[in-house]
Amino acid sequence: DGGITQSPKYLFRKEGQNVTLSCEQNLNHDAMYWYRQDPGQGLRLIYYSQIVNDFQKGDIAEGYSVSREKKESFPLTVTSAQKNPTAFYLCASSIWGPTDTQYFGPGTRLTVL
Amino acid sequence: QKEVEQNSGPLSVPEGAIASLNCTYSDRGSQSFFWYRQYSGKSPELIMSIYSNGDKEDGRFTAQLNKASQYVSLLIRDSQPSDSATYLCAVKNRGSGNTGKLIFGQGTTLQVKP
Repeated sequence: DGGITQSPKYLFRKEGQNVTLSCEQNLNHDAMYWYRQDPGQGLRLIYYSQIVNDFQKGDIAEGYSVSREKKESFPLTVTSAQKNPTAFYLCASSIWGPTDTQYFGPGTRLTVL
Repeated sequence: QKEVEQNSGPLSVPEGAIASLNCTYSDRGSQSFFWYRQYSGKSPELIMSIYSNGDKEDGRFTAQLNKASQYVSLLIRDSQPSDSATYLCAVKNRGSGNTGKLIFGQGTTLQVKP
């Protein structure tokens, strides 16, 4: 089956710890994205990557880091510098072109204890 | 002014009625428009995309785009309780260039009552 997978589904972290969220896609999409969603709010872009070994900051990149070593994978690290990390994290991917529709993975819900 | 605005709702309609969801955007040069449905606790799933003025129909769903008035709407005919969800409007604006970046509205919660 083609699709986007994210793991884990739920993640609990103590304050001061770094955690890495996994995102894998087998859709052969060029572009991948990370969003954050807080209750009652829309999605806010954290980072995005158009090609392997290249990525760009989104609107709320502070306290986060990413890598894109493989086309299929785009992991997100939430560092201890992120002041309010509790949120629903969504990974998306798309082909590259004028009609680049984004498709989402199932999400990871991160809770900081 | 927010770049993409939606009424947060909730919008309540009886089963079988037409639900009308609206979205306005600020960048007149916006190119691509998307509607996503998000059930509580789940990730967004694409319902419709629309790129040119007019209507686009897919089953019970119709997307309407009016670039002159800078709004895009989603009509759901014969609404069902299973349509109860939050509907997110997303826009690729001129500032996105070729990055593929989307700007999301905060979403409208739809409640379809049996």
